[in-house]
Amino acid sequence: ETGVTQSPTHLIKTRGQQVTLRCSSQSGHNTVSWYQQALGQGPQFIFQYYREEENGRGNFPPRFSGLQFPNYSSELNVNALELDDSALYLCASSLDASGSEQFFGPGTRLTVL
Amino acid sequence: GENVEQHPSTLSVQEGDSAVIKCTYSDSASNYFPWYKQELGKRPQLIIDIRSNVGEKKDQRIAVTLNKTAKHFSLHITETQPEDSAVYFCAASRGDSSYKLIFGSGTRLLVRP
Repeated sequence: ETGVTQSPTHLIKTRGQQVTLRCSSQSGHNTVSWYQQALGQGPQFIFQYYREEENGRGNFPPRFSGLQFPNYSSELNVNALELDDSALYLCASSLDASGSEQFFGPGTRLTVL
Repeated sequence: GENVEQHPSTLSVQEGDSAVIKCTYSDSASNYFPWYKQELGKRPQLIIDIRSNVGEKKDQRIAVTLNKTAKHFSLHITETQPEDSAVYFCAASRGDSSYKLIFGSGTRLLVRP
């Protein structure tokens, strides 16, 4: 059984650019949630994907979008990057969307200059 | 809106002493309360969780208590060890079909040898 993996580990972009972050869920998990963790703060929920459909969204603008693929891996896309988007982006997978434990990946550190 | 407040933001204890971290949640529909430990540069890892149908749960040196009436829950670590030093996050969730975790702002625990 493999754990949750994310790529890339680090990324530097400039304001206005677009970025795609990737997450492979743990074997057997069909649900992926994405979180943004600013320095010194707790993770903030961006959205969740369950069986390839968006299943809940936090207080983030539409320029944050996502996808989930048939193998349950997922992508987070951010358009028109802003300086405040600099953060650690964490994905977490779970067996299902009804209250099972979420297992976090190591995160992608995004820096926007 | 949904909110989780966590106190204290930093906590320094002598090795062997106990540590207590407290959280308050605002959404009365919350029924799942996990605690995560995040070491520097690493992913959050679940250390213990509790559901609203129980008032206390223990796992070796760690315990969590829940007071649904007051909407408070706490993490208790006994016989602290230097390897307990990390940032601890509480979280709350409705545990329904849109299973988002609302995190507290974190407590940096330092265990002095």
